[in-house]
Amino acid sequence: DAGITQSPRHKVTETGTPVTLRCHQTENHRYMYWYRQDPGHGLRLIHYSYGVKDTDKGEVSDGYSVSRSKTEDFLLTLESATSSQTSVYFCAIRGEQGNEQYFGPGTRLTVT
Amino acid sequence: GQNIDQPTEMTATEGAIVQINCTYQTSGFNGLFWYQQHAGEAPTFLSYNVLDGLEEKGRFSSFLSRSKGYSYLLLKELQMKDSASYLCAVRDGTGGFKTIFGAGTRLFVKA
Repeated sequence: DAGITQSPRHKVTETGTPVTLRCHQTENHRYMYWYRQDPGHGLRLIHYSYGVKDTDKGEVSDGYSVSRSKTEDFLLTLESATSSQTSVYFCAIRGEQGNEQYFGPGTRLTVT
Repeated sequence: GQNIDQPTEMTATEGAIVQINCTYQTSGFNGLFWYQQHAGEAPTFLSYNVLDGLEEKGRFSSFLSRSKGYSYLLLKELQMKDSASYLCAVRDGTGGFKTIFGAGTRLFVKA
């Protein structure tokens, strides 16, 4: 258990509304990641952070933004949700050994 | 381009041995990972290979051949609880320790 929580765990929202997902960690890890997981695609990186206020894009960043104003929190925002953003979103941190990643429990987002 | 291939589904019998293969083509290489993911849960780390050869950890072993872009995960003495998806992933060596994941192999263990 790497002390990672995500909120909310489930959310249903309407097309065009803004949505923010929160990832919180308690162990001062520098690197944090946001992924989405869809059937047939596996986990795909949306954005990642390598420190406070330091973020970069992943392979599927369009339509998403992130912020990291303090070490423990990494926020993912969908400015105007679309049905294609219906997915399960996982947050992850890079482990102390520097190799593996540890994942939060996930957020299931449905955009109607 | 970046590509990781693994079989979509496999079925094996309790007590048996199963091998899940993974081939990869990535722009760089800085390690290969295997994760286990039970339905409705988060992935959990199983193994890491950065050098060629076999890494053994209990009932699970992982093999890597960098020249062939190939890895396999070997599960011995299968148990019903091993029914899960197994994700092959490659850290591509670019900034941020980014990791590319395959779509996963769903393993069904039958009695």
